[in-house]
Amino acid sequence: KQEVTQIPAALSVPEGENLVLNCSFTDSAIYNLQWFRQDPGKGLTSLLLIQSSQREQTSGRLNASLDKSSGRSTLYIAASQPGDSATYLCAVRQGGATNKLIFGTGTLLAVQP
Amino acid sequence: GAVVSQHPSRVICKSGTSVKIECRSLDFQATTMFWYRQFPKQSLMLMATSNEGSKATYEQGVEKDKFLINHASLTLSTLTVTSAHPEDSSFYICSASPAVGAGEQYFGPGTRLTVT
Repeated sequence: KQEVTQIPAALSVPEGENLVLNCSFTDSAIYNLQWFRQDPGKGLTSLLLIQSSQREQTSGRLNASLDKSSGRSTLYIAASQPGDSATYLCAVRQGGATNKLIFGTGTLLAVQP
Repeated sequence: GAVVSQHPSRVICKSGTSVKIECRSLDFQATTMFWYRQFPKQSLMLMATSNEGSKATYEQGVEKDKFLINHASLTLSTLTVTSAHPEDSSFYICSASPAVGAGEQYFGPGTRLTVT
């Protein structure tokens, strides 16, 4: 059974810092991995999607990497801003015909002005 | 594009009553829809997957007679929580995909259910 874990559970940083969020998964047979952002009481915003054949994806100040064989992904946020404060979730999609997403435990990020 | 809406955004109901939550894909046809629940400070847990015109497939531990899912059209799926109890209070989020296979899912804004 696939299990997805995120470390740390919570993180507080001063504005301007670069930071790394970690995601690990137990079953490396994934189709892709996706990072989401969730603001309090809101739905999910997709940030980056990495296919299993890719090593990384970049969008603006965000960079996500994937090491499928070791079951790890990282989300790097450069020059953090208070508006980045949110919960960040990673989710893996299993291989095969399934379209199920299995979500990680989330990292609550607070960027202090 | 790829907008998914949910209605209502918040609902409060009394214990023992039923409540229906709607999930709509506004600008695409959703072959597959998913329902998740999220308890405070926890992650999303998949409850069920539904394909248009077919019965929903429920995840292990989810009571299908309690959480009724209907996916009668390519743009609408409903989740009915029957005989709601306080422990059903949660944040319910739907997602929709235009594909049956490994297509991307687009998420709704969520519905906060409080059972008193």
